[in-house]
Amino acid sequence: GAVVSQHPSRVICKSGTSVKIECRSLDFQATTMFWYRQFPKQSLMLMATSNEGSKATYEQGVEKDKFLINHASLTLSTLTVTSAHPEDSSFYICSARDLQGDFEQFFGPGTRLTVL
Amino acid sequence: AQTVTQSQPEMSVQEAETVTLSCTYDTSENNYYLFWYKQPPSRQMILVIRQEAYKQQNATENRFSVNFQKAAKSFSLKISDSQLGDTAMYFCAFMKNGGTSYGKLTFGQGTILTVHP
Repeated sequence: GAVVSQHPSRVICKSGTSVKIECRSLDFQATTMFWYRQFPKQSLMLMATSNEGSKATYEQGVEKDKFLINHASLTLSTLTVTSAHPEDSSFYICSARDLQGDFEQFFGPGTRLTVL
Repeated sequence: AQTVTQSQPEMSVQEAETVTLSCTYDTSENNYYLFWYKQPPSRQMILVIRQEAYKQQNATENRFSVNFQKAAKSFSLKISDSQLGDTAMYFCAFMKNGGTSYGKLTFGQGTILTVHP
């Protein structure tokens, strides 16, 4: 149980285009999901907290107009990188908390974004 | 704000030996959780062990145990009988219990552990 999926696992896009990454909780409901960014051999940096049915809460320094987050259902949150540039290339990871569970978060397998 | 510090960028250990990874944190909170996560080359984050701050007893999970020193704000991870599959990047993480930051994880810089045969 407690599986989180991400799609796509890898994406390559041209500079200036937008890319959508999906995060799904497969066997539980998640009112809260989190989006992280990770550069090679570095730590995870929290970008935003996604709450079902409400606006996401962004961490300081994260451009909300560039990283659009939508949490339309209890099992799906999406991160859209708008007008992507090479510096947006990174590994993006989502996590989710089980509505019926305790404080533990379950992580998705991540999405590697490469912007050419 | 909370900070988590892992002062060992890289560690190595021989198979079957024991290794300890260090973690210190800084917080003014009294009620919180601490975690160790493992990130193997697949990049999938895996929870290794967790500790509730209100519990004095150190958490253990099979070969993994922690030394939680609340007053010193220290939370080290001991891996016994190291296995090749333990090779990964290990992250120490902090989460406040309650309040607006509930659920947010603050990660340390990570320690790359290599287990040699």
